[in-house]
Amino acid sequence: EAQLLESGGGLVQPGGSLRLSCTASGFTFTKYAMIWFRQPPGKGLEWVSIISDDGGSAYYADSVRGRLTISRDNSKNTLFLQMNNLRPGDTARYYCAKATSIYQGYYFDYWGQGTLVTVSS
Amino acid sequence: SYVLTQPPSVSVAPGRTASITCGGKNIENESVHWYQLKSGQAPVLVVFDNNDRPSGIPERFSGSKSGKTATLTISRVEVGDEADYHCQVWHDGSDPIVFGGGTKLTVL
Repeated sequence: EAQLLESGGGLVQPGGSLRLSCTASGFTFTKYAMIWFRQPPGKGLEWVSIISDDGGSAYYADSVRGRLTISRDNSKNTLFLQMNNLRPGDTARYYCAKATSIYQGYYFDYWGQGTLVTVSS
Repeated sequence: SYVLTQPPSVSVAPGRTASITCGGKNIENESVHWYQLKSGQAPVLVVFDNNDRPSGIPERFSGSKSGKTATLTISRVEVGDEADYHCQVWHDGSDPIVFGGGTKLTVL
């Protein structure tokens, strides 16, 4: 069964940087798009960024474009999220998920447990 | 941008049926997916493409659509079903991945 494990979260000051990682196992990583979501405290889920199976295409939510960068290393079955110029509004639990394509976009069939990012001085 | 509306909370007694709704404009044209979120655990896909169940998800979980509303139905509710449930669609546009605000299911 597919498993995803996030790491790299923590406490960072406004303007600081973090790099999240997501290690995948139990499925053919190179065949699937992957995505980062987040859930701020007390709020709902929101998508952050999605990357194609070969890493050639990436898309971002408006709230993070230009500050966060998604990437993947298919040789290591690992997904990354480089987070720069962090803001208090970026405080959230960050989840990676496997994206399965259907006739209308994607659904997300396996998720990690998430890693907590706190942006505060 | 596209909006999905869920009730903030639903309460149900063990053994009864819970219905969690998800409303959206022209939702009859969307493929709706449902996720279960429990604190400290990985979110779980419980229904995809309106009414399909992933392997391992009990038959007690089912999805449907009628008019402008999609519904997640949980039959014979168990204490372990207590969680937040979120609907999601992919709606073409600049912000394609849309979630409802989530519904907290309380098992009384």
